[in-house]
Amino acid sequence: SAVISQKPSRDICQRGTSLTIQCQVDSQVTMMFWYRQQPGQSLTLIATANQGSEATYESGFVIDKFPISRPNLTFSTLTVSNMSPEDSSIYLCSVGSGRVTGETQYFGPGTRLLVL
Amino acid sequence: AQKITQTQPGMFVQEKEAVTLDCTYDTSDQSYGLFWYKQPSSGEMIFLIYQGSYDEQNATEGRYSLNFQKARKSANLVISASQLGDSAMYFCAMRVSNQGGKLIFGQGTELSVKP
Repeated sequence: SAVISQKPSRDICQRGTSLTIQCQVDSQVTMMFWYRQQPGQSLTLIATANQGSEATYESGFVIDKFPISRPNLTFSTLTVSNMSPEDSSIYLCSVGSGRVTGETQYFGPGTRLLVL
Repeated sequence: AQKITQTQPGMFVQEKEAVTLDCTYDTSDQSYGLFWYKQPSSGEMIFLIYQGSYDEQNATEGRYSLNFQKARKSANLVISASQLGDSAMYFCAMRVSNQGGKLIFGQGTELSVKP
């Protein structure tokens, strides 16, 4: 199974500022995914981070608000820009692995963000 | 459009008893995967079990089993011999093969295990 770490584990930020979340995987993976979980809600995919190309964003999420970097096959960052209280969520990165591609999909421990 | 439905916002079960968490899905694709995750209050998402659409046998992982009924488009999670540590949110998710690794999640079921 893949071991995924995220930094920071939690943060409290002021509105208007930006926060960069790091995701590190202990093995090389093709695709990394960033999800958001708003309070009391389910998970929603923000974007797919591809190594060597631009991230692919889901409907309702834009690069200016959530820029993503993927410099290599084990690391990615997600930045939450110009934050507002509505951005208070858990942000989770995820990778797929398994005998058949994506047979299992693991998540990092998440970053709890509170925007004041 | 793909969709996952979990109709039980909350469930209670007595310790040591079995419990079934419901999940139905909607997709017109033939190739897909179904996942169950556990989310304790810490917020981490713990992978429990996976079922591929072409798998003929129901998936099992320890105390977890997935009751896969393809014709009914249901993928219920069965937890046997419930433990107090099983109290958590449980999410059902689907991955459609032609959409890369994207997971679509249900709204979750909060399970409470009573001593």
